Amino acid sequence: GAVVSQHPSWVICKSGTSVKIECRSLDFQATTMFWYRQFPKQSLMLMATSNEGSKATYEQGVEKDKFLINHASLTLSTLTVTSAHPEDSSFYICSARPSSTAFFGQGTRLTVV
Amino acid sequence: LAKTTQPISMDSYEGQEVNITCSHNNIATNDYITWYQQFPSQGPRFIIQGYKTKVTNEVASLFIPADRKSSTLSLPRVSLSDTAVYYCLVFMIYNQGGKLIFGQGTELSVKP
Repeated sequence: GAVVSQHPSWVICKSGTSVKIECRSLDFQATTMFWYRQFPKQSLMLMATSNEGSKATYEQGVEKDKFLINHASLTLSTLTVTSAHPEDSSFYICSARPSSTAFFGQGTRLTVV
Repeated sequence: LAKTTQPISMDSYEGQEVNITCSHNNIATNDYITWYQQFPSQGPRFIIQGYKTKVTNEVASLFIPADRKSSTLSLPRVSLSDTAVYYCLVFMIYNQGGKLIFGQGTELSVKP
């Protein structure tokens, strides 16, 4: 099946710094990718839809200036958490739909200290 | 997007068959039903997808009644490694730019 790869798998950063998470489609082109956030014992929450060559679409309540999304090519979308704070600590997952179903990255565990 | 409702949790024992039911009363004509499995600290993994009646693959079966307002994921002879969260989603498969919204999922615990 299609492969979606995220990097890094985990990251620890200090409060106030920025962190970039990459999401790549390895064997297909993705004009659209999706970013989710998941807190412990909770379901995946959609943050934004990343569109190649255009601005991302953010879900209600998600700060677009804090979570910067760049989809510069058909195989790469990046999520940058700017000025990270401890409450941004979470599990971030990207996804793409190259066919009838969606494929998900392995996720990135972000810990802000 | 059709809203889905599942039991929050289920317990089972190794070797048993597990059936997880999902309710999706406002499913649209063009919607398909898809189930995903998620282990801790991993992204969801596709299990099975169907439109109506019964679908079976190497890991599970999916039963969909004629009115399509619910569906049942059946896992035969579960093992400890099937302990995970299972999500039922309903969406149009041909709208590849369409976002997927997750419900609460069902946390399955398989005991020895």
